[in-house]
This record gives sequence, structure tokens and C-alpha cells, in this order.
Amino acid sequence: IAGITQAPTSQILAAGRRMTLRCTQDMRHNAMYWYRQDLGLGLRLIHYSNTAGTTGKGEVPDGYSVSRANTDDFPLTLASAVPSQTSVYFCASSDSTEGKQYFGPGTRLTVL
Amino acid sequence: GQNIDQPTEMTATEGAIVQINCTYQTSGFNGLFWYQQHAGEAPTFLSYNVLDGLEEKGRFSSFLSRSKGYSYLLLKELQMKDSASYLCAVRDEDYKLSFGAGTTVTVRA
Repeated sequence: IAGITQAPTSQILAAGRRMTLRCTQDMRHNAMYWYRQDLGLGLRLIHYSNTAGTTGKGEVPDGYSVSRANTDDFPLTLASAVPSQTSVYFCASSDSTEGKQYFGPGTRLTVL
Repeated sequence: GQNIDQPTEMTATEGAIVQINCTYQTSGFNGLFWYQQHAGEAPTFLSYNVLDGLEEKGRFSSFLSRSKGYSYLLLKELQMKDSASYLCAVRDEDYKLSFGAGTTVTVRA
């Protein structure tokens, strides 16, 4: 069982480019989340999905979009990347009855 | 929203005990989590409290007082591998987590 996988591991991106970060889980969890982690600020929720077909905005959603077409996949898209989106991005999932979130290995994104 | 405070850094000696405090102000509360995060890695679950009191799990214990908006994580018999960041997170009624900025613990020989 892989748990949660994210791709790519790291990426350097030119400002203005479009980028999709991929996240896949094999635990059949109904809820999934995207966070960004910046030094001194901790983990901040970007978007979440409580179940396939639904999404919601977190604390810092501007500049990002998500979709949840099925239970396993939860891609995060930056439509037009800006340098302030340089960060480490973590995907997580949870079974709502348990509540504990399991995190993927992260994607380190640099926007130049 | 949630306002979560924890110290930025703590240093302790191998074999000692360290207590990491977390205070929170919340518009809704549905449990408090502690996660451990080693440098360059993903956060991993340590403990969960939803009722007042102490939860013990091996060398790690976590305490919660909902009336005071206060929790602590107690690390006993510190080992070098415990050097990491410890993240306090509060869950709201929608099962979303809000994280503190994290406490970096350095264990010295």
C-alpha cells in the first residue's frame, strides 16, 4: 500500500506558467486536502474536498484551483504561477470518521 | 477562524523531558492533534485529544484543557531522533485542521 503519492517531487517553474500538482491516495479516504508550508508560517490550507465531486476553499485559496472527479485523485492547479507561490505543497487525506490526516511526501515548487 | 500559538524553538538534552505548550482561540473546536515533522519530510500523526485530560502513548503524552484553550505535548526520555518540528493543530466542526507554526525541538547529546 503506497498511502499518498505526490508528483512531481520538485519543480522549478517560470512565472506565468500553468502547473498541476498531482495527488493520489489508495486508502479510499473520502476527504482530501492541499496545504502549503512556508518557513515561520506553518501549514496553511489551500483547498479541501470532503467527498468526491465537492470542493471547498481553505485559508489561502487565491491563485489555486482543485477538482475531485473521483475518490483517489485530487490535483491542484496553479493557473498562472507567481513567485509568492514558491513553497512546499503537501497533500493529505483522512477518513472523516477517524479524522486523523495522512500526508503525502510533498512537492517543492520554486517559481522564478 | 483559529489562532494557535506555540513556541518557535526548544532545546533539551538527550534523556531529558521537554514540554511543548500550545494555546488556541477558536470559533469551533472538534479536537486537537499533534504531528511530528522531521526536516524535509511530511508531518506524521502523534496524538489526538478531544476530551480534557492526558493521553499517554509510550514516551509521548498529550494533555488538553478545553476551558483554557490549552494543550501540551510531553516528550520523555528524549532521543536524538526526536529532533524535529512538532505541530499543534485544531480541528473545526467541518473536520478542517488549522496548524500552529510549529516548535522546532533540538536534542543535544
